[in-house]
Amino acid sequence: GAVVSQHPSRVICKSGTSVKIECRSLDFQATTMFWYRQFPKQSLMLMATSNEGSKATYEQGVEKDKFLINHASLTLSTLTVTSAHPEDSSFYICSASWRRGRDEQFFGPGTRLTVL
Amino acid sequence: AQSVTQPDIHITVSEGASLELRCNYSYGATPYLFWYVQSPGQGLQLLLKYFSGDTLVQGIKGFEAEFKRSQSSFNLRKPSVHWSDAAEYFCAVGANSGNTPLVFGKGTRLSVIA
Repeated sequence: GAVVSQHPSRVICKSGTSVKIECRSLDFQATTMFWYRQFPKQSLMLMATSNEGSKATYEQGVEKDKFLINHASLTLSTLTVTSAHPEDSSFYICSASWRRGRDEQFFGPGTRLTVL
Repeated sequence: AQSVTQPDIHITVSEGASLELRCNYSYGATPYLFWYVQSPGQGLQLLLKYFSGDTLVQGIKGFEAEFKRSQSSFNLRKPSVHWSDAAEYFCAVGANSGNTPLVFGKGTRLSVIA
């Protein structure tokens, strides 16, 4: 149980295009999902916190108009990178937490974005 | 401010040797502590976690970690390393982990030599 999936696992796009990444909790309801970004050989940095049915909370320095996050249901959150540029190339990882009770976060397998 | 320090960027050990990866944290409340492993190009796999109780925590793949409040440490250990353990290891800290994000250390890359 407690499986989180991400789609796509890898995407290459041209500069200026938009890319949507999906994060799904497959067998549980997630009230909260987190989006992290990991640059090569670096640690994970939190981008935003997404709560179902409400606006995402972005970390300082993360452009909310560039990284659009939608958490429309208890099992799906999406991250859209708008007008992507090469510097947006990174590994994007989501995590999701249980609806009730304390527990660990469950991480998705990540999405490798390459912007040409 | 919450922070996690992993002092060792890269460690190389011989296969069969013991391993200890260091982790120190700074956290204002009772910390929830985690160790994750990441293979190249892959997501995170949880090795073990500490919420409360016994300060020596057993995890998967033969790993264990010990929470030492007085030292603000949560070091990861394995008595005998296998070549397949070569990966990046991240220590992380959070509050009530379900609804707050984790703060990660910069990671320690483990290389295993024959």
